[in-house]
Amino acid sequence: EPEVTQTPSHQVTQMGQEVILRCVPISNHLYFYWYRQILGQKVEFLVSFYNNEISEKSEIFDDQFSVERPDGSNFTLKIRSTKLEDSAMYFCASSATHGGVRFFGPGTRLTVL
Amino acid sequence: KNEVEQSPQNLTAQEGEFITINCSYSVGISALHWLQQHPGGGIVSLFMLSSGKKKHGRLIATINIQEKHSSLHITASHPRDSAVYICAVQIQGAQKLVFGQGTRLTINP
Repeated sequence: EPEVTQTPSHQVTQMGQEVILRCVPISNHLYFYWYRQILGQKVEFLVSFYNNEISEKSEIFDDQFSVERPDGSNFTLKIRSTKLEDSAMYFCASSATHGGVRFFGPGTRLTVL
Repeated sequence: KNEVEQSPQNLTAQEGEFITINCSYSVGISALHWLQQHPGGGIVSLFMLSSGKKKHGRLIATINIQEKHSSLHITASHPRDSAVYICAVQIQGAQKLVFGQGTRLTINP
């Protein structure tokens, strides 16, 4: 069964460093998303991406964040200068249609020290 | 005020019991999702619905658009159903999902 994959599963970084979280969505899906979940809190929407551009973003997704689909398979989230409060689980998801069922990846746990 | 409210926050039941988790929302939506989050953190989509009722195995989801309310039911609950169940709404005209805080369900054998 096709699935969304994410790497790494756990990333530890120093405050101020850049990190790139990687995702491989399901191959025939067209819509891609990033969400985050701070420990003990609810899941939050970050950004949606379609046709090689951001289609929607939340107020959390400021200039420190960027997304890219560098090739036909990967979808990345870059945080330029990490802060302590960026520590969270980051989930990538994809869907075949606009607003369709989301297929979530297993998540990347980001720890900023 | 949260746009999506779930109740209860925590629920413990015995194996075999009928489980109901509720979700109320205050915004216009195009669809509502029920998700399951396992202790390891992974999230699985259970249902997406915009009206009526859907059933998959022992799970049933209903939505009342007029009352802005949805329920997730589990029949003949089993310890493997223990997880966090999350309600998320898709804001009308957008792709954004707004999530509830989740309901932690524990089924004891």
